[in-house]
Amino acid sequence: GAVVSQHPSRVICKSGTSVKIECRSLDFQATTMFWYRQFPKKSLMLMATSNEGSKATYEQGVEKDKFLINHASLTLSTLTVTSAHPEDSSFYICSAIPNHRPQAFFGQGTRLTVV
Amino acid sequence: QQQVKQSPQSLIVQKGGIPIINCAYENTAFGYFPWYQQFPGKGPALLIAIRPDVSEKKEGRFTISFNKSAKQFSLHIMDSQPGDSATYFCAASSQGAQKLVFGQGTRLTINP
Repeated sequence: GAVVSQHPSRVICKSGTSVKIECRSLDFQATTMFWYRQFPKKSLMLMATSNEGSKATYEQGVEKDKFLINHASLTLSTLTVTSAHPEDSSFYICSAIPNHRPQAFFGQGTRLTVV
Repeated sequence: QQQVKQSPQSLIVQKGGIPIINCAYENTAFGYFPWYQQFPGKGPALLIAIRPDVSEKKEGRFTISFNKSAKQFSLHIMDSQPGDSATYFCAASSQGAQKLVFGQGTRLTINP
C-alpha cells in the first residue's frame, strides 16, 4: 500500500520559536501534497496545497508567512510554523496523492503544542 | 456551497447493528465522495469512495449509498464490531482526490 509518514508525531515548543514538520511519501512519488489542520473533536480544514518545484497555494485565511511550505522533492513536503504562538497548537495532518493513482493517503499527524 | 454537512455528530450502536452516517452537499461540481475512518491521535484512513455515476458501492462490510438528485450520500457499516469505534468523516471534491472538503465528523461507538 501507499504509506505517508509524518515527523515528528508530537512536538512541544516555546512561543516565538519555529517548528518544522515533515511529510514523506515512502513508496510513491507525489507531485502534490496537502496540509490540513484539525482542532480537537473537529473536522480537517485544508490549509494549503504543496506543489513540487513551485510555490504552495494557500486557502483563504491561512497566513503564508506563518505557515511556510516547501516541496523540494517528489517524496517530501515540509510545513514550518514560524514564530509559533499558543493558538497555533493543533493537530497537523498531511496527505499525498500518488502520481499514478488518484487517491489521497494521509500521514499519522503531528500534535503541536506551543507553550 | 463548499460545505459538506454530516450527521449525526455521535452515534452509539450495539455490536452487530448497522450504523448509518449521512452527508449532504450543495456543490454540484463535486465528483468524488470518500469516507475516512480516524482513530484518536492518528491520521484518517480511506475506507471507501464513490463517484456520482454509481448509486451504491460495497467494500467488505462498508457500503456507500449515493443519491445524486438529493445531493446526499451515506455510509452503512454491516455487522458492526467494537473495533469499528472511531470517528468517521465524509468528504467531497471537485478535483478527484485533491482539495477534499470534509464533513464535521461522526464519533461512532459500538458497544459489545
